[in-house]
Amino acid sequence: QVQLKESGPGLVQPSQTLSLTCTVSGLSLTSNSVSWIRQPPGKGLEWMGVIWSNGGTDYNSAIKSRLSISRDTSKSQVFLKMNSLQTEDTAMYFCARMPPVFLLGAEGYFDFWGPGTMVTVSS
Amino acid sequence: DIQMTQSPSLLSASVGDRVTLSCKASQSIYNSLAWYQQKLGEAPKLLIYDANSLQTGIPSRFSGSGSGTDYTLTISSLQPEDVATYFCQKYYSGWTFGGGTKLELK
Repeated sequence: QVQLKESGPGLVQPSQTLSLTCTVSGLSLTSNSVSWIRQPPGKGLEWMGVIWSNGGTDYNSAIKSRLSISRDTSKSQVFLKMNSLQTEDTAMYFCARMPPVFLLGAEGYFDFWGPGTMVTVSS
Repeated sequence: DIQMTQSPSLLSASVGDRVTLSCKASQSIYNSLAWYQQKLGEAPKLLIYDANSLQTGIPSRFSGSGSGTDYTLTISSLQPEDVATYFCQKYYSGWTFGGGTKLELK
């Protein structure tokens, strides 16, 4: 059974770096691509970036300069790091899987999501 | 960049109603469209992919249609558990979500 679960600090100070972990089970990161998606309170969804099954990454151009996604396949974990946080980065952060029917590098939909982790940027 | 616009932003309907939600792309996305249901406090749930394919386990009252730039999610007979916000998402030339339609009971 495919499951994803996000974890993180909850509260981050402005200008600091956010570090989140997505722990997956029921799937292998070497054959599945995982994206990070965020949602500010009461607002819509924003795709942030993806780590492909081969370990390559792509990022949303709007936040590319601040964002890094990596993984540890032996621990079935995907990591998000984003620096220079501001209050507008306050959001629920989700990780989600794209089904392996898509070829490497092909964009697709997200069939499994984690429950999300709330991040508040405040001093 | 291709923009995704959903309408209406808020929809009130009664149990048993046929409900139609719209999603328009600023240029053709070649049926690379998914619909998600998000209930309060939960993660989005995939309902429809490739514009008209029903995800496994989703009730058959949900259906998707459309092509080119215009897409529709239809609920054939609204149930109380369908109260949620619905998002469309394109996966052609990048990933972008629509702004959402909040569906409430009248």
